[in-house]
Amino acid sequence: SQTIHQWPATLVQPVGSPLSLECTVEGTSNPNLYWYRQAAGRGLQLLFYSVGIGQISSEVPQNLSASRPQDRQFILSSKKLLLSDSGFYLCAWSVLGPESYNEQFFGPGTRLTVL
Amino acid sequence: GESVGLHLPTLSVQEGDNSIINCAYSNSASDYFIWYKQESGKGPQFIIDIRSNMDKRQGQRVTVLLNKTVKHLSLQIAATQPGDSAVYFCAENNPTGYQKVTFGTGTKLQVIP
Repeated sequence: SQTIHQWPATLVQPVGSPLSLECTVEGTSNPNLYWYRQAAGRGLQLLFYSVGIGQISSEVPQNLSASRPQDRQFILSSKKLLLSDSGFYLCAWSVLGPESYNEQFFGPGTRLTVL
Repeated sequence: GESVGLHLPTLSVQEGDNSIINCAYSNSASDYFIWYKQESGKGPQFIIDIRSNMDKRQGQRVTVLLNKTVKHLSLQIAATQPGDSAVYFCAENNPTGYQKVTFGTGTKLQVIP
């Protein structure tokens, strides 16, 4: 069966510090991978998605970046965090079937607080 | 559609009553729809899905209705229980191009014991 891992689960970082959040998927090959951010009491904001190694598409211009060094690894980074980067970060994966349906499966999330 | 800047609407339901959560979607070309449940501090979890060639699908205590004419999706929960308290998101799949799913605003369901 497939599983998705995210770490760390919680993180408190000072403004201006760097960030690295990691997401890995097990039990599937060549998944589509996604990073979302969710502010408290808000909906899901798609940040990045990737359809393959080294292929990253950005949805929102910001001080965050994403990388996919391996097929089942997706990393979210920042060189200098802002207060507005605080939120709940969710990684998700999907695999398109023959009928092109795209159900996404979410990880447990990382709660980031920037002080 | 994009839901980032909006506060979540809240639906309060008495335990044992039926809940109906509504969602309007934006893309008439969307071919697949999903309802997710998100409990506090956790990632969204799949509840039920429906393809665009259907107008109704039933699961255990949940039913999804799809009205393509008005681009409307609803989730019905029968005999609502305290464990159903969560935020519910609808999502639509755009079959063209970028393999992305667009999430709706989300609705917070509060079950009153």
